This record gives sequence, structure tokens and C-alpha cells, in this order.
Amino acid sequence: DAKTTQPTSMDCAEGRAANLPCNHSTISGNEYVYWYRQIHSQGPQYIIHGLKNNETNEMASLIITEDRKSSTLILPHATLRDTAVYYCIVRVAYNNNDMRFGAGTRLTVKP
Amino acid sequence: GAVVSQHPSWVICKSGTSVKIECRSLDFQATTMFWYRQFPKQSLMLMATSNEGSKATYEQGVEKDKFLINHASLTLSTLTVTSAHPEDSSFYICSALDRVSNEKLFFGSGTQLSVL
Repeated sequence: DAKTTQPTSMDCAEGRAANLPCNHSTISGNEYVYWYRQIHSQGPQYIIHGLKNNETNEMASLIITEDRKSSTLILPHATLRDTAVYYCIVRVAYNNNDMRFGAGTRLTVKP
Repeated sequence: GAVVSQHPSWVICKSGTSVKIECRSLDFQATTMFWYRQFPKQSLMLMATSNEGSKATYEQGVEKDKFLINHASLTLSTLTVTSAHPEDSSFYICSALDRVSNEKLFFGSGTQLSVL
């Protein structure tokens, strides 16, 4: 069963911030929120992950609500190369737990 | 970042033959690797979990005799599609779990298998 809910598709203008939402209302206390993206015909690329606090790296920022039931991935200045399918996944980060993908959000960055 | 190498990138084979796909973690040790398959316009579907030195764990509906997985070392796992048929044509992707952090999965670039 899918643990996350994401919009099927989103558009974003080049140079603008892309905000991708994810609902994970049944998340457990020991589950992290992960974001990956997949560009056509390639393997998924790791973007960011977090447990409670907001996180930022060179690629994106992750905002997790205080109740942890939802999160938002922010690409601050989207480029055409950010066009991809973005997956939000919850996973317990120990005991070699696997990672299961939902349908994801297809982000299209437009010029 | 960590690198997972997957070979071959694409393969075309005749029906009834077997195909082996390799997945290597290049700069870290991975006690656990995962194998996925993906059909066009669909999400990744987990096929099996491969642990170094032990038998793989297969997801429900995945035939273990058809999809043979070997994880002989901390850096190499292989998936062999035996007696391939056209319905096995798919995009196969491996991922490796960094045994140190146990937090991040790194993915290979995928193998496109076409069975004629």
C-alpha cells in the first residue's frame, strides 16, 4: 500500500521555485522522508532526506510539517534539467529496510 | 556522492536465452542491494532484496527460479533472467544500501532488456 500521496503532475516556470508537496499522514515516528527523482530512462537520483527538522543541501530544501504528516520539496531555481518524476518515500532507516516507490509527481519545467 | 555501476545498460536477446545483469557499488560496501523493474510510464516495483552471503528475499509474485539473484560480495550483486520471454522486457534497476549509514540508497543507471 502506498504510504505517500503526491500530485500526478506539476508545471513550473524556469528560474522560479518548484514546490512539490507530499502527504504522508500515516508516517511512523522512526520513518524518514526521502526524495528521489528519475529522469527518463535513468536510475533514480537521491535528492534529500529528513526525519523531523527541515533540511537543505546543494540541490533542494525539505520542509517537514511539525506533525510530520506532510512535507514539501523545494527546488529554489528550477531549470529545464529539473524536469523529471519526483518520488516522495517514507522509510525506516535501519535493519536494511527496502525502499518502495509510489507513483510520484511528474514535474515539467517550462521556459 | 556514492556510485553504483550497473551493466549492461541495454541488452537485446532471443526468447529462451538467459541474461545476467551486474550491479556494483564502487566506493562503498553494500551488505544489502535491491532489484527493481519498471515498465513504461510506471513506477519502480521492488522485485527482491539481496543480502551478501545469503539467499535473496523475493516480493510476492516474483518467480525466484526465473529471476536468480546472487550477492557474493559486499560490492557485487547479479540478477539473471533465465529463459527470458518477451513479457520480461523491462527496465531493471538495482540499488545499494550504504552499510555504514544505512540511511541512503544509491541507484544504478538501469538496464533496458528487450526480449525478441
